[in-house]
Order: sequence, then C-alpha cells, then structure tokens
Amino acid sequence: GENVEQHPSTLSVQEGDSAVIKCTYSDSASNYFPWYKQELGKRPQLIIDIRSNVGEKKDQRIAVTLNKTAKHFSLHITETQPEDSAVYFCAASRDTGFQKLVFGTGTRLLVSP
Amino acid sequence: EAGVAQSPRYKIIEKRQSVAFWCNPISGHATLYWYQQILGQGPKLLIQFQNNGVVDDSQLPKDRFSAERLKGVDSTLKIQPAKLEDSAVYLCASSPGDRQPQHFGDGTRLSIL
Repeated sequence: GENVEQHPSTLSVQEGDSAVIKCTYSDSASNYFPWYKQELGKRPQLIIDIRSNVGEKKDQRIAVTLNKTAKHFSLHITETQPEDSAVYFCAASRDTGFQKLVFGTGTRLLVSP
Repeated sequence: EAGVAQSPRYKIIEKRQSVAFWCNPISGHATLYWYQQILGQGPKLLIQFQNNGVVDDSQLPKDRFSAERLKGVDSTLKIQPAKLEDSAVYLCASSPGDRQPQHFGDGTRLSIL
C-alpha cells in the first residue's frame, strides 16, 4: 500500500521568511496530492491540492510542486505570517476508483513575529 | 454552506465500555469518511461510504469497531469494547463524490481511562 513520509517534523521561521515542507510517496500510481492545515484543536482544512497532470500550482502565498519521477511533492509558503503557525499534513491518493488518502505524519510550523 | 457536524466534541470513558460518535456530512455529499487521528500523527482512514454502501473498511478493526450510514446521510461510528489504544480524535469527512476534495469536521476527542 501507499506510504507517505513528511519532513521536517518541526519548522521554525521568522515572520516574512519562506517555509518549505517536503513529502515523498511510494505508490507510483498515486496522482492526487492535497495539503491540509490543522490548527490546535481544530479540523484539518484543505489549503491546496495538485494532480499529476501539472507540475506546480499556486494560490497567493502558497504553492505546491510535484516531481512524479522522484515521487516527491513540496509545499512552499512565502512571506510567512504568525497566523500560518499550525500543523501541515500532506497526503497522497490514486485518482482512479475511490479516493483513499494516505497522510504524512505532519509538520509543525511555528512563525515567530 | 454548513460544514461537517460531529458530536460529541469530547468523550471520556473507561476501558471495556462502549462509545458512539455521530456525523452529519455537508448536504448533498455522497461520500463519507471516518478517520482516526492519534496524537502527533496524521489521520488514518477507518472506513469510507459511498451513499449508504461501504467502499473501503480494510483498516477498520472489525472485532470492536462498527459503522453505519443509514439512508446515505448521517453516520455513526461505534467502539465496543474500548481499549486504551483507542484514545484519539475521530474525524469525519465528506466529499461531493469520488475524486472530489474532502472536507473535515471538528472531530470527537476520545479519552480512555
């Protein structure tokens, strides 16, 4: 089955810096890769997703890149703000048949003012 | 639109007792998921419904866990009897259909004494 590894487990940056979180997956048939943000005690919220027919997707300060050959994808946050502090989870799934998300172990991002 | 509703938010029980969680998905969402999120880990899929039929329950510990989705709307997840290792947040998610982004509820935090 699919296995998703996520690094780093914690990331501390200064406000205004960029943050990068990386994930690798094992199932070459996976082709849907969402990212979720989870604040303490809150629900995971989808912030961006990408399918394997594109290599990069941007939404304001957030971008995701995908390298299918190497089986890894990354989340990039630019101009970080204190409200970006949260745990971020990557996930992977095949996009055929029924979607079954396998999540990474999470990255705790702390943005200091 | 209203989000995924879950209740209760918190539950404390003793081991070997029974517990049930309830989920009301976003109106019109055909696909419903139950996840278990142990502290410090990503969510792990327990069971997936398409309308009122089970699509995937391969990771559901069927000797103690059960779930149903009568009439293809609300769903309940039950644990009987509970073990200490069942302490976790139980998240419900829904999506309009297969291959659509999943939206999570706030979860039920279960503590086993």
